[in-house]
Amino acid sequence: QSALTQPASVSGSPGQSITISCTGTSSDVGGYDYVSWYQQYPGKAPKLMIYDVNRRPSGVSNRFSGSKSGNTASLIISGLQAEDEADYYCSSYTSSSTLVFGGGTKLTVL
Amino acid sequence: QEQLQESGPGLVKPSETLSLTCTVSGGSISSYYWSWIRQPPGKGLEWIGFIYYSGSTSTNYNPSLKSQVTISIDTSKNQFSLNLSSVTAADTAVYYCARGSTMTWLRYWGQGTLVTVSS
Repeated sequence: QSALTQPASVSGSPGQSITISCTGTSSDVGGYDYVSWYQQYPGKAPKLMIYDVNRRPSGVSNRFSGSKSGNTASLIISGLQAEDEADYYCSSYTSSSTLVFGGGTKLTVL
Repeated sequence: QEQLQESGPGLVKPSETLSLTCTVSGGSISSYYWSWIRQPPGKGLEWIGFIYYSGSTSTNYNPSLKSQVTISIDTSKNQFSLNLSSVTAADTAVYYCARGSTMTWLRYWGQGTLVTVSS
């Protein structure tokens, strides 16, 4: 299975909104509403931010939201804050009943 | 809240088998999906495989690792384990265990353990 495609980096200023894309195929992202997003700080374990495309686990800020169109999913962070600076990974369920991750996106808050 | 803790050798020789255990505390190991994920230094996440137990066991593995990987579960100890055979330097990574209520997302993660493959 091939990794999902994410931009290597995105950046934004405090208060702005940013979008991170995650592109797959009809065998993963496009075929199921099972895209999730993870936030990872250096040296720390990933944290689930979004699951099932647009659902937030309890305790995750409503500044984080998700969407999907065709084979591309997106993570949207509104009201950008300094603490949002981290790596973000998307993941999707696949037609082989496996999980596949994206290559990761480094978010820089300017 | 459920806690997961990885344990095992931090150094493994090339061609040998990497063995790690994840101990689950604060909840039952039954009726959840338990995954292993790894992250080579400075690189992205790679899903290794999962195991599910609810009376019987089911597993599935990353196709690129399937020939090397075995994941097993010990319900009496609330643990599940990873065996990765015939390792090379490319298997050097931080290895995480994680839990999901379904196999489509990973809600709780261990802190990760670094395994280095070197002679």
